[in-house]
Amino acid sequence: KAGVTQTPRYLIKTRGQQVTLSCSPISGHRSVSWYQQTPGQGLQFLFEYFSETQRNKGNFPGRFSGRQFSNSRSEMNVSTLELGDSALYLCASTGGANGYTFGSGTRLTVV
Amino acid sequence: AQSVTQPDIHITVSEGASLELRCNYSYGATPYLFWYVQSPGQGLQLLLKYFSGDTLVQGIKGFEAEFKRSQSSFNLRKPSVHWSDAAEYFCAVGALSEGAQKLVFGQGTRLTINP
Repeated sequence: KAGVTQTPRYLIKTRGQQVTLSCSPISGHRSVSWYQQTPGQGLQFLFEYFSETQRNKGNFPGRFSGRQFSNSRSEMNVSTLELGDSALYLCASTGGANGYTFGSGTRLTVV
Repeated sequence: AQSVTQPDIHITVSEGASLELRCNYSYGATPYLFWYVQSPGQGLQLLLKYFSGDTLVQGIKGFEAEFKRSQSSFNLRKPSVHWSDAAEYFCAVGALSEGAQKLVFGQGTRLTINP
């Protein structure tokens, strides 16, 4: 069974730009959640989608948004990038008894 | 609100020695508890999980954890560490009921192994 696939692995953007990250969950998993990891704040929950609906959202500004498609693939978008948005963004898919399975992440650097 | 505390930011042990990483949680109901390991630049790999039942949980790579409700703890143990165990370890509490799917993580414990 293929794991959770996140693309791209690395990204460098300039302040003020926007970025879109992609996550393909494990086949059959309908829930996808996103987390931001930084050295200062640790791992923080961004949002969670199930069957194309956002069910839960963390405490992040409106510049952070996401969506989920009918095939359960999810994207997250960050607009008007700030230096503080530099982080590892992790996606997790949920299904069955194993709980959350994480992808390898997308390392975003904002310069 | 859910919260997780990992009191030790950094632990160093010698190869072959035993290991215990501490985790305390705060959650109003029966928790779902997880331990993840992360190597530099990588995602999170699940070591083990507790949902219900036997409070001593066996995981991958020889790790185990014990859920103690009275102490709100879920400590991770390994009887003999290997150099390849050097990584960062995260404890997390989660809600897996409909409409509330998220994990709350501790700050992590970085494990260094001395040869």
